Amino acid sequence: AQKVTQAQTEISVVEKEDVTLDCVYETRDTTYYLFWYKQPPSGELVFLIRRNSFDEQNEISGRYSWNFQKSTSSFNFTITASQVVDSAVYFCALSEETSGSRLTFGEGTQLTVNP
Amino acid sequence: GAGVSQTPSNKVTEKGKYVELRCDPISGHTALYWYRQSLGQGPEFLIYFQGTGAADDSGLPNDRFFAVRPEGSVSTLKIQRTERGDSAVYLCASSSNREGRLNEQFFGPGTRLTVL
Repeated sequence: AQKVTQAQTEISVVEKEDVTLDCVYETRDTTYYLFWYKQPPSGELVFLIRRNSFDEQNEISGRYSWNFQKSTSSFNFTITASQVVDSAVYFCALSEETSGSRLTFGEGTQLTVNP
Repeated sequence: GAGVSQTPSNKVTEKGKYVELRCDPISGHTALYWYRQSLGQGPEFLIYFQGTGAADDSGLPNDRFFAVRPEGSVSTLKIQRTERGDSAVYLCASSSNREGRLNEQFFGPGTRLTVL
């Protein structure tokens, strides 16, 4: 069975600090996909990144970076020089090849960036 | 272009009533998904359509829940004999890729259902 754990329920930082959101997943499949979504106060989920299980290269997109480590079943997300607009709930999600297209989400991490 | 739209944005009903929630996916997207998000939780999968047919309905909690997509575009989630535990935000998403997981799922704003 697939499972995603986001152990950090809430994180609060001051603007310009770096912050890392943790994600640990469980799967028996060798082919799977990992995602991060952002849910701002407006409520609409915004796609941030997709990574497949065969690509362990880290990725950087502006102030965002992702660290995928299969050895520890982790897919962590770092925001560099955080801004108030980064305040949102962030969800990590997993899709297994054998489970079709369904996404299994973690419980989310509420990030608050204070000015 | 327009994103995924959902109506109504809010629905308040009484226990035991029947409700319908509508999702209008992005034009041309063949895959459509319904998820349910309870307060403080991540979204939970309900059902996935590829075209008109339900490819995976294993997430529907019981037979009070049913969804249709008769013309392969708009979908309606139907809940019979609503219970207070059905209160949640119901999210719809669509995807342009057959397998869904390969391309991101674009989510709508959700319908907040409150059962009194």
